[in-house]
Amino acid sequence: NAGVTQTPKFRVLKTGQSMTLLCAQDMNHEYMYWYRQDPGMGLRLIHYSVGEGTTAKGEVPDGYNVSRLKKQNFLLGLESAAPSQTSVYFCASSSPLGLKGQFFGPGTRLTVL
Amino acid sequence: AQTVTQSQPEMSVQEAETVTLSCTYDTSESDYYLFWYKQPPSRQMILVIRQEAYKQQNATENRFSVNFQKAAKSFSLKISDSQLGDAAMYFCAYRRTTYGDKIIFGKGTRLHILP
Repeated sequence: NAGVTQTPKFRVLKTGQSMTLLCAQDMNHEYMYWYRQDPGMGLRLIHYSVGEGTTAKGEVPDGYNVSRLKKQNFLLGLESAAPSQTSVYFCASSSPLGLKGQFFGPGTRLTVL
Repeated sequence: AQTVTQSQPEMSVQEAETVTLSCTYDTSESDYYLFWYKQPPSRQMILVIRQEAYKQQNATENRFSVNFQKAAKSFSLKISDSQLGDAAMYFCAYRRTTYGDKIIFGKGTRLHILP
């Protein structure tokens, strides 16, 4: 099992460009999450999904959109990248009750110039 | 709203010694889960240990153990016989047992292991 994978691992964008981060999980988890991690801020939840076709806003959703067209995939989109979106992005998945915690992908380092 | 506080941004410990990382949380719930995650330089988030609030017994995983004080809303992580591979950022996290709820993370404690 690959667990949770993220594509790409690194990306550099110019201000105003758009991109999509792909997250895939093979654990048949219902729930998927997108976080950003910034120095001194810990992990902040951007958006999450409790099932195929459903998404919800987290703590810092502005500037991001998400889609969950398939249970195993969760996409994070930046329509017009800004330098403030320079961060490390993590995807995670879990079962609904989350007793075993969340399983994380390896992260994507995004730099917006 | 639930919050998780890690009051020690950085800590250092001598190799083979014991270190305790602190975590407090705020909640009005009676049942919930608590977690400690480790993030080494590779960036991968790894679940170290978890505790169910209804269980009075403290969780233990090899060299890692917790001191769960429910009344004080405290959940500290003890690492015994510290090893160089324990150097990482450690995050404390909280989750209600409510179906579909989210995990709330603290801001982390960076642990340095001194050889």
